[in-house]
Amino acid sequence: QKEVEQNSGPLSVPEGAIASLNCTYSDRGSQSFFWYRQYSGKSPELIMSIYSNGDKEDGRFTAQLNKASQYVSLLIRDSQPSDSATYLCAVTPGGSYIPTFGRGTSLIVHP
Amino acid sequence: EAQVTQNPRYLITVTGKKLTVTCSQNMNHEYMSWYRQDPGLGLRQIYYSMNVEVTDKGDVPEGYKVSRKEKRNFPLILESPSPNQTSLYFCASRDTGNTIYFGEGSWLTVV
Repeated sequence: QKEVEQNSGPLSVPEGAIASLNCTYSDRGSQSFFWYRQYSGKSPELIMSIYSNGDKEDGRFTAQLNKASQYVSLLIRDSQPSDSATYLCAVTPGGSYIPTFGRGTSLIVHP
Repeated sequence: EAQVTQNPRYLITVTGKKLTVTCSQNMNHEYMSWYRQDPGLGLRQIYYSMNVEVTDKGDVPEGYKVSRKEKRNFPLILESPSPNQTSLYFCASRDTGNTIYFGEGSWLTVV
């Protein structure tokens, strides 16, 4: 069973701070990694994808991948109350085209 | 607009009454899948389809059926719904980069 682990939270940060969300995965052969944001009662939406080691930045979001340590993280700079949501990590195991989702981390950004 | 459309969005039904949740995508994706999402359990895959006439079980297939007669459509069938199938259901399709696109979700209550 390919595992994707996330701390369920909630992670609470003040407005303007950096929110750091972490995800670990079990399959060392995994090749593609995704972060989805899900507002309560809504469908998940893709916010970042990353395929190689290092950092990938998109606006206030930075995804970080470390394949040797088998973790992927998402940093949200200048957090806003509108960032309050559940963040799902998804990992596509090696030899598969089917992503495995973590259970998500709840983020609360308070004014 | 590229989208995954599922219907109905909200349904209350009685135990044992067969129902079908339709799903259609307009992105010509080969891969489609169904998930259910329950509090504390995250997204769990029910069934998936790699292409027309090719379907396979996910993590929680019991009590569900699917069919894939056309590339764009992937209906989910509950032959005899039970209360433990009360959940939020998402249809999804996947592009060649392994990005998952979700429908808006279907809230199903079985009484």
